[in-house]
Amino acid sequence: DQQVKQNSPSLSVQEGRISILNCDYTNSMFDYFLWYKKYPAEGPTFLISISSIKDKNEDGRFTVFLNKSAKHLSLHIVPSQPGDSAVYFCAARGGNNNDMRFGAGTRLTVKP
Amino acid sequence: NAGVTQTPKFRILKIGQSMTLQCTQDMNHNYMYWYRQDPGMGLKLIYYSVGAGITDKGEVPNGYNVSRSTTEDFPLRLELAAPSQTSVYFCASSFTFQGYEQYFGPGTRLTVT
Repeated sequence: DQQVKQNSPSLSVQEGRISILNCDYTNSMFDYFLWYKKYPAEGPTFLISISSIKDKNEDGRFTVFLNKSAKHLSLHIVPSQPGDSAVYFCAARGGNNNDMRFGAGTRLTVKP
Repeated sequence: NAGVTQTPKFRILKIGQSMTLQCTQDMNHNYMYWYRQDPGMGLKLIYYSVGAGITDKGEVPNGYNVSRSTTEDFPLRLELAAPSQTSVYFCASSFTFQGYEQYFGPGTRLTVT
C-alpha cells in the first residue's frame, strides 16, 4: 500500500515564482517528514524536514508546511531558480513501520 | 570525503544469474540501507543494518541477501536474478536510524533480461 502519495508527477514554474510541491499520507502514526531532491544520475539528497510537533519549518528559500488533520504536507520554494529543477521526493517515518516510506516523486522544472 | 559510493553504475544480467552490488561509506555511520526505485514509484527499503554483523529486512526483501562485516561496507546480493528485479538500486547511510537524514549513493541501474 502506498502510504505516501505525491499526486503530481510534474510541475513547471517560471524562474522567480513560487513552486509548491504537495504530499499526502495515510498513516496517522508518521511522526517525521522529509523532502529529498534528486538530480539525474545522482542519489537523492536531503533538503528539509519537519517533525509532527511543528506545522512549519524554514530553511532559506525552502519552507515545509505540515497539516496533520489533513495528513498533508507541502514544500514551498521561493523564489524558484533553474537549478531547483529536479525530482522531489516526500518521505515519512514512524508508527509501526521500521522503515521510511517515500512518495513517487514530483519532477519540478523551473524555466528561465 | 567520498560519502557513499556504489559499484557498478550499470549492469545487465540474464535471468538466473547472480551478482553483488557494492556499497561503501566513509562517514563512520552505523546505519546503512538498500533501496530500490521502480519507474514511477518511490524508493522501497530492501534491507537495512544497524551496525556490523546486524541486518534486518525492509519492505521488499525477497530475492535479496545482505551482509555487514564492517562499518564501511554493506553489499547487496542477488542470487537468482529475475526480470522483476530490474530497477535502480540506492545504498544509503545515516548517523541515526532512519534519518533524520540519509546520505545516498549515486545508484546502480540493473536490468535483468
